Amino acid sequence: EVQLVQSGAEVKKPGESLKISCKGSGFDFTKYWIGWVRQMPGKGLEWMGIIYPGDSDTRYSPSFQGHVTISADSSNTTAYLQWSSLKASDSGLYYCARQTFGESDFWGRGTLVTVSS
Amino acid sequence: DIQMTQSPSSLSASVGDRVTITCRASQSISTYLNWYQQKPGRSPNLLIYATANLQSGVPSRFSGSGSGTDFTLTISSLQPEDFATYYCQQSSSTPYTFGQGTKLEVK
Repeated sequence: EVQLVQSGAEVKKPGESLKISCKGSGFDFTKYWIGWVRQMPGKGLEWMGIIYPGDSDTRYSPSFQGHVTISADSSNTTAYLQWSSLKASDSGLYYCARQTFGESDFWGRGTLVTVSS
Repeated sequence: DIQMTQSPSSLSASVGDRVTITCRASQSISTYLNWYQQKPGRSPNLLIYATANLQSGVPSRFSGSGSGTDFTLTISSLQPEDFATYYCQQSSSTPYTFGQGTKLEVK
């Protein structure tokens, strides 16, 4: 069974760093792209970027490039999304999803990130 | 970036209705168009990929069509569990942008 298990909710202060995770199982983690999608409260889906764990090829949305880092550890079948300096506007629900030919066919349950002073 | 525009943004309908949601791309995306359903408090769920291919387990009342810049999602006979928000997404080129969503509500 394909599963993507995301790390738990986080509460952080502005300026702090954060790394959230997405552990895949039930499929060959090195042969699928893993993507990250943000959903702010009451809003739509925003595509942030994707990584191919097989070779760490990474693509970012210009809207997020430079503010987040996507990485993966194929030996641990885990993808990561990290911030070096959080802002209040980073608060939101972050999903990881497995990507097949561009479509995201399996999704994690999301990690809620709250950034507040 | 390719911009995706859905219409309508919200839609009221009744069980048994035939419903159509449209999605327009700012440039041609061939048939690289996907549709997702999201219910409150849940992760998005893939319904249709590559314009017209039904994801495994998705009821056949859902269908998709289109090519180039104009696409549609049709629900042939609304069921109570179909009231949700629907998103289109282009996967022609990164960033794989989503439409703003269409909220399907009970009339």
